[in-house]
Amino acid sequence: SQQGEEDPQALSIQEGENATMNCSYKTSINNLQWYRQNSGRGLVHLILIRSNEREKHSGRLRVTLDTSKKSSSLLITASRAADTASYFCATDGGSISGNTPLVFGKGTRLSVIA
Amino acid sequence: NAGVMQNPRHLVRRRGQEARLRCSPMKGHSHVYWYRQLPEEGLKFMVYLQKENIIDESGMPKERFSAEFPKEGPSILRIQQVVRGDSAAYFCASSPGGHGYTFGSGTRLTVV
Repeated sequence: SQQGEEDPQALSIQEGENATMNCSYKTSINNLQWYRQNSGRGLVHLILIRSNEREKHSGRLRVTLDTSKKSSSLLITASRAADTASYFCATDGGSISGNTPLVFGKGTRLSVIA
Repeated sequence: NAGVMQNPRHLVRRRGQEARLRCSPMKGHSHVYWYRQLPEEGLKFMVYLQKENIIDESGMPKERFSAEFPKEGPSILRIQQVVRGDSAAYFCASSPGGHGYTFGSGTRLTVV
């Protein structure tokens, strides 16, 4: 069953502003990942946060994870028009082997207006 | 080291025809996952394979869809007697086992 759910479904901001997207999931996890997808293209892995981590940074990206609330947020600071894309969270279902398929949310469509 | 290669990038089929989608995993990756993405939706898991074995096909429709990952060659997702509802983007991901997935660029299937 679909596990991750992002909100908002769509977000439109001005260039330079920060964009925050949220993700909720239902079961235990080993890690949570965020992906980006440009229109009509494949997925690009952005960042992975493990279940024992609370916050992680990568460039202009900041991800938080709250396992007690089963939620995560992705913050993109100082957004650029090139950040326009769909963003998905994906969870691994908590298997020990790590081989279980990822479960994706429906995504947040971010539009950054120049 | 080429990434995950999917072909064709675009595939058009008439209703009733067969569609064959290919996925060559990254070198050294023996785990392959197929996902389907409908317009404006997230990716939905279809099937997980290791070499010559189907590990989990819980997301695959029971009829018309099949997948294989032979000892030699790419993984194949086969859709028989396609219908308009099969139109979607199909993505393949590979991993060496454990964590770390790499996605291909997808095959966009259009059924006319």
